Amino acid sequence: KAGVTQTPRYLIKTRGQQVTLSCSPISGHRSVSWYQQTPGQGLQFLFEYFSETQRNKGNFPGRFSGRQFSNSRSEMNVSTLELGDSALYLCASSLGQGGDQPQHFGDGTRLSIL
Amino acid sequence: GQQLNQSPQSMFIQEGEDVSMNCTSSSIFNTWLWYKQDPGEGPVLLIALYKAGELTSNGRLTAQFGITRKDSFLNISASIPSDVGIYFCAGQGDKIIFGKGTRLHILP
Repeated sequence: KAGVTQTPRYLIKTRGQQVTLSCSPISGHRSVSWYQQTPGQGLQFLFEYFSETQRNKGNFPGRFSGRQFSNSRSEMNVSTLELGDSALYLCASSLGQGGDQPQHFGDGTRLSIL
Repeated sequence: GQQLNQSPQSMFIQEGEDVSMNCTSSSIFNTWLWYKQDPGEGPVLLIALYKAGELTSNGRLTAQFGITRKDSFLNISASIPSDVGIYFCAGQGDKIIFGKGTRLHILP
């Protein structure tokens, strides 16, 4: 069974640009969550999507947005990139929403801002 | 907001030693999860706990869901070099909250 797939694995951008990251969940999983991971802050929750609707949102500025498609694949967009956006962006999928379904992670997209 | 306190932040141990780490919170969770992250990869789910008091093993790993539902611990017995990495706990209720991780180093 294929795991969570994130593309691209690595990305280099410059300040002011925008970026779109992609996540394909495990087959059958309908919930997709996004996290930002940095050495100092650990895993920071960005947002969760279920059935194409954003269900939960973390404390990130509006430059961070996402969406989910009918096949449960999800994209995350960051506009007007800043140096501080350099991080590993992780996607996790689970069967459903709520507290009884463990999340399974992809290997992330490492974004570097120059 | 909800927070998890994971300790220790890092550990340096000899190969073959047992390891113990834990997470505590002021909030109650329905599920406790333990993940391990290797460099350049995403976290991998090790153990999921669903009931207060539950004790679950996965090979040399054992984890317990505290009876107060506010804490959990993970033990690793007879550590080996491939156990090196960062271990994260996560408490899951309406939302999932992650600890900041325990970085495990094994001395040769």
